Amino acid sequence: TQLLEQSPQFLSIQEGENLTVYCNSSSVFSSLQWYRQEPGEGPVLLVTVVTGGEVKKLKRLTFQFGDARKDSSLHITAAQTGDTGLYLCAGAKEYGNKLVFGAGTILRVKS
Amino acid sequence: NAGVTQTPKFRVLKTGQSMTLLCAQDMNHEYMYWYRQDPGMGLRLIHYSVGEGTTAKGEVPDGYNVSRLKKQNFLLGLESAAPSQTSVYFCASSQDRAVQPQHFGDGTRLSIL
Repeated sequence: TQLLEQSPQFLSIQEGENLTVYCNSSSVFSSLQWYRQEPGEGPVLLVTVVTGGEVKKLKRLTFQFGDARKDSSLHITAAQTGDTGLYLCAGAKEYGNKLVFGAGTILRVKS
Repeated sequence: NAGVTQTPKFRVLKTGQSMTLLCAQDMNHEYMYWYRQDPGMGLRLIHYSVGEGTTAKGEVPDGYNVSRLKKQNFLLGLESAAPSQTSVYFCASSQDRAVQPQHFGDGTRLSIL
């Protein structure tokens, strides 16, 4: 059983479209991180959110942490082919030593 | 600026063979982690270390052992490889607690025949 559920598992869209990826849990996390992974490489951190209701923007990417700190979303505006990759959310418990990862969302942006 | 380096990058083993995966980081990080990544299952924590000389079990530790004799190195051992251990293995390091970003290596692709 995955502690962090990501949806959708796979998303294939045309360049220029908008999309949202969700990361949900029944557990409360002190912080949540989003990573992006390209084939043959390790995950790379995009953002960390730590406050309930927090919204962070990274160019065309908008990240939101739920008010209750149980869920998060990643919204991409006007997707580009370079956004193609595996997006992973990962949660940390307060004073925890480790992260719990979701199964990931595979995003394919077609030109 | 190497970051996290994993060796080897690829390996094929026969069932029952043993091997050690090496992870080295040059960022003076305290925490180091070993994960395995399988299709549809994300990253699952095998073992981790919160400092030199310490190790702890993660979510899927069975069949693996680890050692952290030096701060910069974290070794993952498979004593008797099984086909179920075919996976991509990632090492990561972080400055301290899990709220800090984790820096990942590029992975070791391991096939057990």
